[in-house]
Amino acid sequence: DTAVSQTPKYLVTQMGNDKSIKCEQNLGHDTMYWYKQDSKKFLKIMFSYNNKELIINETVPNRFSPKSPDKAHLNLHINSLELGDSAVYFCASSRTSGAYNEQFFGPGTRLTVL
Amino acid sequence: GEDVEQSLFLSVREGDSSVINCTYTDSSSTYLYWYKQEPGAGLQLLTYIFSNMDMKQDQRLTVLLNKKDKHLSLRIADTQTGDSAIYFCAESHSSASKIIFGSGTRLSIRP
Repeated sequence: DTAVSQTPKYLVTQMGNDKSIKCEQNLGHDTMYWYKQDSKKFLKIMFSYNNKELIINETVPNRFSPKSPDKAHLNLHINSLELGDSAVYFCASSRTSGAYNEQFFGPGTRLTVL
Repeated sequence: GEDVEQSLFLSVREGDSSVINCTYTDSSSTYLYWYKQEPGAGLQLLTYIFSNMDMKQDQRLTVLLNKKDKHLSLRIADTQTGDSAIYFCAESHSSASKIIFGSGTRLSIRP
């Protein structure tokens, strides 16, 4: 069974469009994250939600809006897509009560903006 | 500020040991991690070490921590082709705080 799943796996779209990426985890974790990995493999955290509340909001354009309908889901909506948004977006989850912060990553969504 | 640095590439011969190095700037880092990313996949935690430890061994993996120099290394003994991946060093202050990742070291194995 997949622990952290993301849909879609690939997303190709035109500049200016609005798109969403969905993430679900079945691990019973209370914290979920969105990361952006660029073409050089640099990984940057974008957002983190704990029990549906936003706890980390890094310097991200407000065209990006996360939504957490429940603890098991964290979706990412992107408005007015730009060329620079092309990247692989990873969702992750963790249990904050653990002894250390082991994050479980989804398989990634490769977004290509044309 | 928080910063984690690694060299970008490492090439080793199959069967040799690989040593991937990392430096970090935040002296209040409590947890230090090594994550592995295989092609086309997400990151997976390989191992971690608390800042009050200086060594941790787990089968073929040995993690060394020099807290004074803020230097972390990952040694993979008897490197195999399946070890080809990108290895990310990372740190956090607590189990609940965000993780800061390094740029990743791409490990390639030559026959």
